[in-house]
Amino acid sequence: GNSVTQMEGPVTLSEEAFLTINCTYTATGYPSLFWYVQYPGEGLQLLLKATKADDKGSNKGFEATYRKETTSFHLEKGSVQVSDSAVYFCALSDLSTNAGKSTFGDGTTLTVKP
Amino acid sequence: EAGVVQSPRYKIIEKKQPVAFWCNPISGHNTLYWYLQNLGQGPELLIRYENEEAVDDSQLPKDRFSAERLKGVDSTLKIQPAELGDSAVYLCASSPRGRGNGEQFFGPGTRLTVL
Repeated sequence: GNSVTQMEGPVTLSEEAFLTINCTYTATGYPSLFWYVQYPGEGLQLLLKATKADDKGSNKGFEATYRKETTSFHLEKGSVQVSDSAVYFCALSDLSTNAGKSTFGDGTTLTVKP
Repeated sequence: EAGVVQSPRYKIIEKKQPVAFWCNPISGHNTLYWYLQNLGQGPELLIRYENEEAVDDSQLPKDRFSAERLKGVDSTLKIQPAELGDSAVYLCASSPRGRGNGEQFFGPGTRLTVL
């Protein structure tokens, strides 16, 4: 079956540091890939997405590139802010084999200190 | 546009008691999902609806969990009786008609504590 493996946390960075959160996946079809963010007490919000190989998703300074050859979708940001502190989830949705079903990683907690 | 609405936000009950959660998806979204999120883990699908039809309930523990979406709009998830291990956050999500790109829109969740 499908699976998503995320870099274990927690991750603690100083403001303006560079962020990388690793994500690799296993899928039988041709999945779309997502990063969701969850702030305390809230539901998951879509951060960015990529629907095919070599696509780059970007939003709010975050980027991730769909790498089919390495089955990866690593999240990066050049300069983090305190407000980026949250839990980040990598996910895939394999529409070719199971419409609408998503698989999530276990999340990576990011804390950014001033 | 209103987002996915869930209620209650928090619920504390004693074990063996029943509990119900309600979800109203984004208007026009035909697909509705219920997820279980344990502490420190990602969401795990319990059930997925396409309109009124439960198209994937393979992970729903049917001995104690039930769900309904009678008119293809809002939905209720019930646990009866609750067990200590059911303490978790129950998330509802929705997505628009058709396959789209798999993006889902989540509600804030209901945090259940079973004592």
